Amino acid sequence: QVHLVQSGAEVKKPGASMKVSCKASGYTFTGYYIHWVRQAPGQGLEWMGWINPNSGGTNYAQKFQGRVTMTRDTSISTAYMELSRLRSDDTAVYYCATLPTPGTQWLVDPRDYWGQGTLVTVSS
Amino acid sequence: EIVMTQSPATLSVSPGERATLSCRASQSVGTNLAWYQQKPGQAPRLLIYGASTRATGIPARLSGSGSGTEFTLTISSLQSEDFAVYYCQQYKSWPPLTFGQGTKVEI
Repeated sequence: QVHLVQSGAEVKKPGASMKVSCKASGYTFTGYYIHWVRQAPGQGLEWMGWINPNSGGTNYAQKFQGRVTMTRDTSISTAYMELSRLRSDDTAVYYCATLPTPGTQWLVDPRDYWGQGTLVTVSS
Repeated sequence: EIVMTQSPATLSVSPGERATLSCRASQSVGTNLAWYQQKPGQAPRLLIYGASTRATGIPARLSGSGSGTEFTLTISSLQSEDFAVYYCQQYKSWPPLTFGQGTKVEI
């Protein structure tokens, strides 16, 4: 069974905004934080932040503060990540995932779910 | 921010050989350390959490050890499916959760 399904690839112009969706199925959506991780071409993994689907609470990496907004719609078990004021170095594959999260259900019942990734290309 | 440093950047080994990958944290993370495997074009997959607990479905030839600031992922006898990039990640202190830069295991 597929657990996290993301929206499709996007091409954006510098200065624009992007919004990626991540639909969960096969588990209790509100039970596990959704993290967003990105990977620039040929590079490593970079954590962007998480959202608690139960409360809507968020925690962002300082690098993205002011540009990123993570939201969720529990009625359709979907999380969203919006990144604004895009630059060329935002070109990357963006993943949603249920990563290890301190103080949460994950530590009792680990779940390793990843979306398939969404390629966002920022180019003029 | 806790910085995670992996070594070596690339590890060249032959099938059947043992591979040892290292991960160092800039400050103690206890055992709040995970290892992931990523193959080209795929999302990462969790291998180890809690520094030494194998995730569901991970074969016993993969093992993790360490605590504090020094961690090791060992693959006892490399199989063809083990050639990939491996990342460590700390989840002791956030934000941010931080990943190492990766170790590529190649033939």
